[in-house]
This record gives sequence, structure tokens and C-alpha cells, in this order.
Amino acid sequence: GAGVSQSPSNKVTEKGKDVELRCDPISGHTALYWYRQRLGQGLEFLIYFQGNSAPDKSGLPSDRFSAERTGESVSTLTIQRTQQEDSAVYLCASSPRTAGGDEQYFGPGTRLTVT
Amino acid sequence: QKEVEQNSGPLSVPEGAIASLNCTYSDRGSQSFFWYRQYSGKSPELIMSIYSNGDKEDGRFTAQLNKASQYVSLLIRDSQPSDSATYLCAVNGGGSNYKLTFGKGTLLTVNP
Repeated sequence: GAGVSQSPSNKVTEKGKDVELRCDPISGHTALYWYRQRLGQGLEFLIYFQGNSAPDKSGLPSDRFSAERTGESVSTLTIQRTQQEDSAVYLCASSPRTAGGDEQYFGPGTRLTVT
Repeated sequence: QKEVEQNSGPLSVPEGAIASLNCTYSDRGSQSFFWYRQYSGKSPELIMSIYSNGDKEDGRFTAQLNKASQYVSLLIRDSQPSDSATYLCAVNGGGSNYKLTFGKGTLLTVNP
């Protein structure tokens, strides 16, 4: 079946502008995660959605970052007033979160460059 | 602060050899362990998951878990140049702690 999709694949924006990144999870996956990966660095957890529960926003680095998800479908990550340190690849993952396991499957990512 | 430690490498092995990748974690309550492969410029790809002590084999890959030692490893048999990538170890926090903590990865190079 189709994997996790993300759009856009690349985004170049000027410092101070707002950007919106989109993630479409694997159909039937109840859990959705956003991560950030700076160049040459590890993955940094940002936010987690599970069904209709309140999201875990504990990884968001500042109040300029926000995310939404409607039900078990598409999620958007919004970064307001972008800064150069926001330049990174933003990765979305989804998981079935079943009793058998909670493997996360990643999308191709959105490469954000803030100039 | 939950931590996952990996040797950054690079680990270089000849084609056909066994590559051994190691990972230690700090949270003794962790219950789920994963290995991801990440090619340069690409997103992580899940290659193995392991939940119980012991070995789990899938093709040329074997994951080994020792919860008492807080240690998980990945063996790649008959290494191929196409296995050259960064391998990420990921651990969840146990129970309802769904968040994965990733190690910084080990760069593996398989020389033809």
C-alpha cells in the first residue's frame, strides 16, 4: 500500500515568513509523529498525535511551532516567523500502534531552508 | 534524560563480511527497540524491530537484545556495498511512552 507522504519535498523561505508542512499518514495508522533532523544530526522529536487524544507537544522547540491533525488523517506542521536555525529536514512518521508493535514508518521528509 | 548511544563510526567492512552495530540505552523501562537504515539524503527506513531478549533474524539481518545489559545490536551478514548507510538505533520509553529516542547513528561503509 501507499506509504507516508509529505509535501512539499523542498521549501525555501525567507526569514520571518510562515511555512506550512503537510503529512499524509499510512491509511489506518492511528499515530502520527513529527521529527526534525538538522544537517548531520540525529532525529529530534517534535510532536505526537494518537487518535482523538490530546497531542503531546513536549518536543516543540518554541511557540512558533504548532501542528494540527484532524482525526486520523492529514497533519500540518506550521512554523511562524521562521528563523535560520529552523533550517532542517522535517520528517513525519506514522504507526499502527497495535498490541503487536509500534513500529514507525517515515515519509520522505520536507527539506526546509530559511534564507 | 533518556539517552541512546551509538558509535558514530565510520565502520568499514569488506564486502561479504559481517558488520556489527551496537547500541546502549539508559532507560531500563524501555520495551521496544528498532533499527533504521538511512541513506544519505533520504529518510529513515525501518529494517528491524525487537521486543524480547535474545535474537531475531530477518534475512541477512539479526537483531540482538539484552535488557539486563541495556544493549541492542544489529548484525549484517554477507555485507553488500548497498548496505553502506547510517544505521540508527531507536528505543521507546516503555509502557505508554510512545516516543522514540534515536541514537545519532553509525555510518557503515562496505568496501567492494
